[in-house]
Amino acid sequence: DTAVSQTPKYLVTQMGNDKSIKCEQNLGHDTMYWYKQDSKKFLKIMFSYNNKELIINETVPNRFSPKSPDKAHLNLHINSLELGDSAVYFCASSPGTDAGNQPQHFGDGTRLSIL
Amino acid sequence: AQKVTQAQTEISVVEKEDVTLDCVYETRDTTYYLFWYKQPPSGELVFLIRRNSFDEQNEISGRYSWNFQKSTSSFNFTITASQVVDSAVYFCALSERGENYGGSQGNLIFGKGTKLSVKP
Repeated sequence: DTAVSQTPKYLVTQMGNDKSIKCEQNLGHDTMYWYKQDSKKFLKIMFSYNNKELIINETVPNRFSPKSPDKAHLNLHINSLELGDSAVYFCASSPGTDAGNQPQHFGDGTRLSIL
Repeated sequence: AQKVTQAQTEISVVEKEDVTLDCVYETRDTTYYLFWYKQPPSGELVFLIRRNSFDEQNEISGRYSWNFQKSTSSFNFTITASQVVDSAVYFCALSERGENYGGSQGNLIFGKGTKLSVKP
């Protein structure tokens, strides 16, 4: 069973389009995250949600809007896609807000390519 | 300011060599956690180890070992008798409790990664 699953795995789209990436975890965790990995492999936190509530927003443009319908899901919607949005996006989850207590479990990533 | 520094961008070794990946961190918190993750060419992120700031005991897991030294703010990772399957990008990460300031507690702050290539 996949613990953290992201769909789609690959996403190729035109500049200016709106797209969504879905994330689901079946670990019963309370906290979910989105990270962005750029072309140089640098990983940076974007958002974290605890029990459907936003707790971290790391200066991400408001074109990015996370949505958490329940604590097992954290979807990422991106409006007006730009070339600089091309990256791999990772979803992760952990049992609580203190990431140190338990390691974060990561999905396999979604590779977003903007043409 | 960069909080996790992995000075080695790329390392190339021959199979069976030992290799150490360096990680230096910076934090004002007294309680924090350090991690290593592996990202193989297939792209997924694999958790390797977690260490809390109160536990400086070194750890060994098979061919992997970790040396945590608070005095030098370092958490280095050594692979003994490296194998081709060890080829990957390795990330060191820090998670703070945010005790001393309203920082981004809970999330992982990653270093820029070290790409390890093990040649047969």
